[in-house]
Amino acid sequence: DGGITQSPKYLFRKEGQNVTLSCEQNLNHDAMYWYRQDPGQGLRLIYYSQIVNDFQKGDIAEGYSVSREKKESFPLTVTSAQKNPTAFYLCASTGWTDTQYFGPGTRLTVL
Amino acid sequence: DQQVKQNSPSLSVQEGRISILNCDYTNSMFDYFLWYKKYPAEGPTFLISISSIKDKNEDGRFTVFLNKSAKHLSLHIVPSQPGDSAVYFCAASARPLQGAQKLVFGQGTRLTINP
Repeated sequence: DGGITQSPKYLFRKEGQNVTLSCEQNLNHDAMYWYRQDPGQGLRLIYYSQIVNDFQKGDIAEGYSVSREKKESFPLTVTSAQKNPTAFYLCASTGWTDTQYFGPGTRLTVL
Repeated sequence: DQQVKQNSPSLSVQEGRISILNCDYTNSMFDYFLWYKKYPAEGPTFLISISSIKDKNEDGRFTVFLNKSAKHLSLHIVPSQPGDSAVYFCAASARPLQGAQKLVFGQGTRLTINP
């Protein structure tokens, strides 16, 4: 089945540690995105990538980093510089239509 | 600055009746609008979209209306079913000529369908 997978579903991190969230898609989509959702708020764009080896900052990129070495993969690293990393993280991708399709999400909790 | 606003945090509707969810936007450059449905701890699921060249789009029980002059769109669900209980997000974008599309999301409206 085609789709977007994110792993792990739940992730716990100690303060001061970097952590990497995985996002993989087998939809052959060119563009991929990372969003963050906080309680009672909408989704906010962290980073996006139009093609392999290219990515752009979104609205809240500080404290995050990404890479796009393969078309199907767009991992997100939450660094220790991110002041409030506890949130629900969502990955999405877009193909030839204008619709973004989302993965199931990763809930990150900083202990 | 909240470019996309959903002013109702919650809405309660009786099963079988119509649910109307509203969304307002401020950026006149937005030309594509989407509605997503989201359950807790899951990713959003795409429901329906509308381009700014249209004022209505239907898909089964879901209809989206766009009023460009008022910068307002709404999602109608008829008839409402218990499985429709979820958080609904409105999103908007100014589609680039090429490349990735940046969506701006509203805060969401929690819809509860009562039996």
